[in-house]
Amino acid sequence: AQKVTQAQTEISVVEKEDVTLDCVYETRDTTYYLFWYKQPPSGELVFLIRRNSFDEQNEISGRYSWNFQKSTSSFNFTITASQVVDSAVYFCALRRTGANNLFFGTGTRLTVIP
Amino acid sequence: GAGVSQSPSNKVTEKGKDVELRCDPISGHTALYWYRQRLGQGLEFLIYFQGNSAPDKSGLPSDRFSAERTGESVSTLTIQRTQQEDSAVYLCASSLASGQGGNEQFFGPGTRLTVL
Repeated sequence: AQKVTQAQTEISVVEKEDVTLDCVYETRDTTYYLFWYKQPPSGELVFLIRRNSFDEQNEISGRYSWNFQKSTSSFNFTITASQVVDSAVYFCALRRTGANNLFFGTGTRLTVIP
Repeated sequence: GAGVSQSPSNKVTEKGKDVELRCDPISGHTALYWYRQRLGQGLEFLIYFQGNSAPDKSGLPSDRFSAERTGESVSTLTIQRTQQEDSAVYLCASSLASGQGGNEQFFGPGTRLTVL
């Protein structure tokens, strides 16, 4: 069975602070994909990143960075120097190789206070 | 259009009525997905279409739910005899052929369904 846990329900930070959103997953599969999506107040999910289970290299994209650790089944997301526009609900998701659907966590609501 | 579109954006209905939700995927995307998002929850998979293959209906919660897609175009999700527990945002997504699972899904803005 697959499970994605985002233990942080809500986080508030002051603008320019760094923030890390946690994601822990469970799967018996040896190959899988991990995703992060952003859901701003408008409601439309925005794809942020996809990571193959074979690739444990960390990734940085501007102010965003992701730390994938297979040993702890975690795929954490860090926003550096947060901005008000980062306020949204962030979802972590898992997809088994060959599967049709994504398994989503319950999301973390991030509020960046100006 | 450039993205996935859904209509209506909001739907209020009375318990027991049928509703139809529509999704227009991104042109060229052969894979189409429906998800349900209850208030404060993550997304629950409902159904998946890939080209002309038989759909994966494993996520449909009951036989009151059904969906159709003609070829690689528009899809409609139908909920019959709606119940209050059906109230949620219904999200549609599309992607290139799902392949080995790595293609990212592009989501529409959703339809917010409220069953009174």
